Amino acid sequence: EAGVTQSPTHLIKTRGQQATLRCSPISGHTSVYWYQQALGLGLQFLLWYDEGEERNRGNFPPRFSGRQFPNYSSELNVNALELEDSALYLCASSLRTGPQGYTFGSGTRLTVV
Amino acid sequence: GQSLEQPSEVTAVEGAIVQINCTYQTSGFYGLSWYQQHDGGAPTFLSYNALDGLEETGRFSSFLSRSDSYGYLLLQELQMKDSASYFCAVRDRGNQGGKLIFGQGTELSVKP
Repeated sequence: EAGVTQSPTHLIKTRGQQATLRCSPISGHTSVYWYQQALGLGLQFLLWYDEGEERNRGNFPPRFSGRQFPNYSSELNVNALELEDSALYLCASSLRTGPQGYTFGSGTRLTVV
Repeated sequence: GQSLEQPSEVTAVEGAIVQINCTYQTSGFYGLSWYQQHDGGAPTFLSYNALDGLEETGRFSSFLSRSDSYGYLLLQELQMKDSASYFCAVRDRGNQGGKLIFGQGTELSVKP
């Protein structure tokens, strides 16, 4: 069974540009979660999508947005990039109900220069 | 809201036992989870406690006391490969879904 896949692995952008990060959940998982992990810090919740709808968002500005497609894959968009957006962006998927564990992807390392 | 506190770092020697504590404050409690992350890679799920008591999975055990809003992860027979960051996490709602809120992580260093 394929795990959660994220692309690209690394992304370098210039301040002010836009970044698009992609995530494919485990087959059968309908929920997708996005987290930001700045260097050496914990996981900060960004967004939660389920069945194509945004269910919850963390304390991030509106320039962080995303969507979930009919096949449950998801996209995170970050507009007007700032230097402090440099971080590891992790995607996780889970079943809507059932076991409490998330399965994480390996992340996209975004560097803003 | 939810908040979790755990030590920032712990050091132990190979073969020893180490305990990583986690205290939490939540508006509603739906279980405490533990994740392991090596060097900024994908966090991996270790254990989950919904009820008080000890859950054992091989060398790893996790304990929960809901009355004390406290839990811990116990790692036995430490190996060098256990050097990693460990995160406790709580869910913000029940089985109808909900996001996990993570602690800041405990970096475990295992020395020879």
